[in-house]
Amino acid sequence: GDSVTQMEGPVTLSEEAFLTINCTYTATGYPSLFWYVQYPGEGLQLLLKATKADDKGSNKGFEATYRKETTSFHLEKGSVQVSDSAVYFCALSDHGSGNTGKLIFGQGTTLQVKP
Amino acid sequence: GAGVSQSPSNKVTEKGKDVELRCDPISGHTALYWYRQSLGQGLEFLIYFQGNSAPDKSGLPSDRFSAERTGGSVSTLTIQRTQQEDSAVYLCASSRRGLNTEAFFGQGTRLTVV
Repeated sequence: GDSVTQMEGPVTLSEEAFLTINCTYTATGYPSLFWYVQYPGEGLQLLLKATKADDKGSNKGFEATYRKETTSFHLEKGSVQVSDSAVYFCALSDHGSGNTGKLIFGQGTTLQVKP
Repeated sequence: GAGVSQSPSNKVTEKGKDVELRCDPISGHTALYWYRQSLGQGLEFLIYFQGNSAPDKSGLPSDRFSAERTGGSVSTLTIQRTQQEDSAVYLCASSRRGLNTEAFFGQGTRLTVV
């Protein structure tokens, strides 16, 4: 079945460091890919998405490119801030699974940014 | 409402008791999802509603779990004869339509079975 694999955390960085969180996926169809973020004490919220190969999603300085050849959707940010400390989830929604829109999530990666 | 609302925010129950968790989606959102977030299993899909019907119940872990949705709005997730392994955060999400649209999540209900 469909699955998402993320790099294990926690990831600890200093402020202004470069961030990469790796995400790879397995899907039988043609998925849409998402990054969700969960800030401390808050609910999950969509950070960015890409719906087809070579699309780049971006938001709040974060970027991720849909790479079909490597089945990857790595999250990057050039300069992290303390306020970026959160848990990040990579997810897919498979167009082939009845178009339900249900999300298959990775395990989540905790990011801690120190001043 | 302004967002997806879930109640209660916390629930402690004794093993063997039944519990009901409620989700009030964003007005006008026809798609509604339940997920479970637990330490060992991450975020797992449980069930999907489109309107009042549930075309995908594939994530429900056992027949102790059931859910319904009425009036195309509020949904209730019921867990019968709770077990300790049911302890988790239960998340509800809604969206306008299933595919490619943003799902908005509630804050979740933290269920602890003692």
